[in-house]
Amino acid sequence: EAQVTQNPRYLITVTGKKLTVTCSQNMNHEYMSWYRQDPGLGLRQIYYSMNVEVTDKGDVPEGYKVSRKEKRNFPLILESPSPNQTSLYFCASSPERTSLSHNEQFFGPGTRLTVL
Amino acid sequence: DQQVKQNSPSLSVQEGRISILNCDYTNSMFDYFLWYKKYPAEGPTFLISISSIKDKNEDGRFTVFLNKSAKHLSLHIVPSQPGDSAVYFCAARPRGGKLIFGQGTELSVKP
Repeated sequence: EAQVTQNPRYLITVTGKKLTVTCSQNMNHEYMSWYRQDPGLGLRQIYYSMNVEVTDKGDVPEGYKVSRKEKRNFPLILESPSPNQTSLYFCASSPERTSLSHNEQFFGPGTRLTVL
Repeated sequence: DQQVKQNSPSLSVQEGRISILNCDYTNSMFDYFLWYKKYPAEGPTFLISISSIKDKNEDGRFTVFLNKSAKHLSLHIVPSQPGDSAVYFCAARPRGGKLIFGQGTELSVKP
């Protein structure tokens, strides 16, 4: 089954404790990205990657890191989480970003993160 | 600045009636528009899209209308069903650019 998976689905942590949210897709997609969803703000892009070893900042990258060592995986790293990073996070992938505007993105199920 | 705006956070409609979800945008360079649907505890899923060269696209009960002069996009669901209850996000992208999402509208379809 073609899908985007994220782990964990739920996480409660404390300020300053490093964490990683994993994301994996089995569709051989080049493009992957991370979003956070907050009330009244919709989905905002954190980071994206157009292919292996190519990553770039989205609209709200502060406090986050990513890596793209393999095509299928795109982990989101919070080196020192803070309460303002409490949010619902989504990973997404698509075949490519630029040349085909109609390509929709496929989203993972989401990770609910609470930072105390 | 919010380039894609959904000004109604919520909408309640009776089953069988029409649901109209609205979206406004400010960037005239957007060339493709999409609607996503999101159920609780799930990720958004693609619903329907429209290119800027068209003014209407229909897929079953779902129709998207694009008014470029007004920079306005709407999604019509006819007839509405309880299973349509979800959060709907509109999104837009300029050619070669990234997808920008609106804030979302929560639709509730009452039996």
